[in-house]
Amino acid sequence: KAGVTQTPRYLIKTRGQQVTLSCSPISGHRSVSWYQQTPGQGLQFLFEYFSETQRNKGNFPGRFSGRQFSNSRSEMNVSTLELGDSALYLCASMVGGTDTQYFGPGTRLTVL
Amino acid sequence: AQSVTQPDIHITVSEGASLELRCNYSYGATPYLFWYVQSPGQGLQLLLKYFSGDTLVQGIKGFEAEFKRSQSSFNLRKPSVHWSDAAEYFCAVGDYNYQLIWGAGTKLIIKP
Repeated sequence: KAGVTQTPRYLIKTRGQQVTLSCSPISGHRSVSWYQQTPGQGLQFLFEYFSETQRNKGNFPGRFSGRQFSNSRSEMNVSTLELGDSALYLCASMVGGTDTQYFGPGTRLTVL
Repeated sequence: AQSVTQPDIHITVSEGASLELRCNYSYGATPYLFWYVQSPGQGLQLLLKYFSGDTLVQGIKGFEAEFKRSQSSFNLRKPSVHWSDAAEYFCAVGDYNYQLIWGAGTKLIIKP
């Protein structure tokens, strides 16, 4: 079974731009979560989607948004990028309930 | 509030020596506990998990962890480390809002 895939793997943007990251979960997994990883703040939860509905959201500003499609693929969007948004963005999928999350390789976003 | 503490930021171990990485958690209910490993620039790979039952759990790559409710700990162990074990290790608690709460990570350095 293929693992979680994330595209693109690397991205360079400038301040003020917006960006969209994509995540394809493991086949049969209906939950997708997003995490931000930075050297200063570590791993922080952004949001989780299940069957196209956001079930939980972390403590991030409204510039960070996401959605999930009927095939369980998910996208996250960051608008009006700031330097501090430079991070590794990790996507994880799980079957559905409180279960094991399996991670993709991440998207490395650099904001200049 | 739920939290996870990994008291050691770095640990240096000689190749072939035993390893123990510490993890303490604060969580009101019965926790779901995880250990993940991250190689530089990569995503997170699940090493092992504890949901219930036997408090000594076996994982991949020869790792094991023991859940001790009385000490709120879930320490990771390996009897003999290999150079390929050099990576960063993260302990996490899964809560009932579908998110993982992370420790700060422990970077493992292997001395030849």
